Amino acid sequence: SQTIHQWPATLVQPVGSPLSLECTVEGTSNPNLYWYRQAAGRGLQLLFYSVGIGQISSEVPQNLSASRPQDRQFILSSKKLLLSDSGFYLCAWKAGVNSPLHFGNGTRLTVT
Amino acid sequence: GEDVEQSLFLSVREGDSSVINCTYTDSSSTYLYWYKQEPGAGLQLLTYIFSNMDMKQDQRLTVLLNKKDKHLSLRIADTQTGDSAIYFCAESRYSGNTPLVFGKGTRLSVIA
Repeated sequence: SQTIHQWPATLVQPVGSPLSLECTVEGTSNPNLYWYRQAAGRGLQLLFYSVGIGQISSEVPQNLSASRPQDRQFILSSKKLLLSDSGFYLCAWKAGVNSPLHFGNGTRLTVT
Repeated sequence: GEDVEQSLFLSVREGDSSVINCTYTDSSSTYLYWYKQEPGAGLQLLTYIFSNMDMKQDQRLTVLLNKKDKHLSLRIADTQTGDSAIYFCAESRYSGNTPLVFGKGTRLSVIA
């Protein structure tokens, strides 16, 4: 069966520090991968998605970047965090055409 | 306005039925999904329906789709306190790898 792992679960970082959140998927190959952010207001904001290694689509211009160095690995990064980067970050995958999204457990990021 | 709309709050008594409603705008939507999010957790796929179906039932869950009115509902029979969560409606607009479009979520509170 397929599983998605996302870590860390919680993170507290000072303003101006770098960020690296990692997400891996097991049990499938060539998944579509997604990063979402959920702010306190509950809505989900799509940040990045990838349909293959090295292919990244950015939905929102911002302080963050994403990379996909391996087929089942998706990384969210920042060189210098801002207070506004605080939120709940969710990684998700889907198998392909018309498949549902499956989410990881999320990372709660607090920038202080 | 929002592409996928949901009411923000719903409160029901334990044992009653809950009905969570959702409207969407894109008539080309292929699949429509319901996700559940418990506090501090990721989104869990509850059920989904293909756009050529009117109804889908899965144990206590019933999904109704009115494609003419672009209206989707999730009925939870015999609502329990463990059903308290945020419920997200999402649509898949095109066949292919494009991301799902989510509503802002409905917070269901179950009163014992």
